[in-house]
Amino acid sequence: GAVVSQHPSWVICKSGTSVKIECRSLDFQATTMFWYRQFPKQSLMLMATSNEGSKATYEQGVEKDKFLINHASLTLSTLTVTSAHPEDSSFYICSARVGAPTRTEAFFGQGTRLTVV
Amino acid sequence: AQKITQTQPGMFVQEKEAVTLDCTYDTSDQSYGLFWYKQPSSGEMIFLIYQGSYDEQNATEGRYSLNFQKARKSANLVISASQLGDSAMYFCAMREGRESSASKIIFGSGTRLSIRP
Repeated sequence: GAVVSQHPSWVICKSGTSVKIECRSLDFQATTMFWYRQFPKQSLMLMATSNEGSKATYEQGVEKDKFLINHASLTLSTLTVTSAHPEDSSFYICSARVGAPTRTEAFFGQGTRLTVV
Repeated sequence: AQKITQTQPGMFVQEKEAVTLDCTYDTSDQSYGLFWYKQPSSGEMIFLIYQGSYDEQNATEGRYSLNFQKARKSANLVISASQLGDSAMYFCAMREGRESSASKIIFGSGTRLSIRP
């Protein structure tokens, strides 16, 4: 149980276009999901907290107009990278938590490798 | 200031030997949780072990154990009898505050573990 599915697993897009990444909780409801970004050989940096039915909470330094987050249902959060540039190329990974007392750990999607050319 | 510090960027260990991956953390909360995740080259995040701040016993999960020293704010991961498949990036992570599904988890910089045959 507690499966998080992320789609697509990789995407190549042209500079200036927008890319949407989906994160779904398959067997549990997630009122909160988290979006991370990981550059090669670096750690996961939390970008934002996605809240179902309300605005996302962005970490300091993350442009909310560039990284649009929508959490329209209890099982789906989307991250849209708008007007993508080569420096946005990265590994994006989402996670969700069931929460205690059931489970404590975060479950992660498979990640999306974005390449902007 | 960094909340999670992993001072070993890379480690090489002989197969079947035990290995300790270091992690120190910084928080003023009394209630918090500590995690270790494994990330193979495929990019997926694999949960290994969890330690709650109020847990009196060190957590163990199969070959993984967490050496929790609260006063020193350290949470080292010990892998016994290492295997070739243990080669991966290992991340220490922390949840600050009381457990809830909305609690965000932040990650350390990671340690790349390589197992020699």
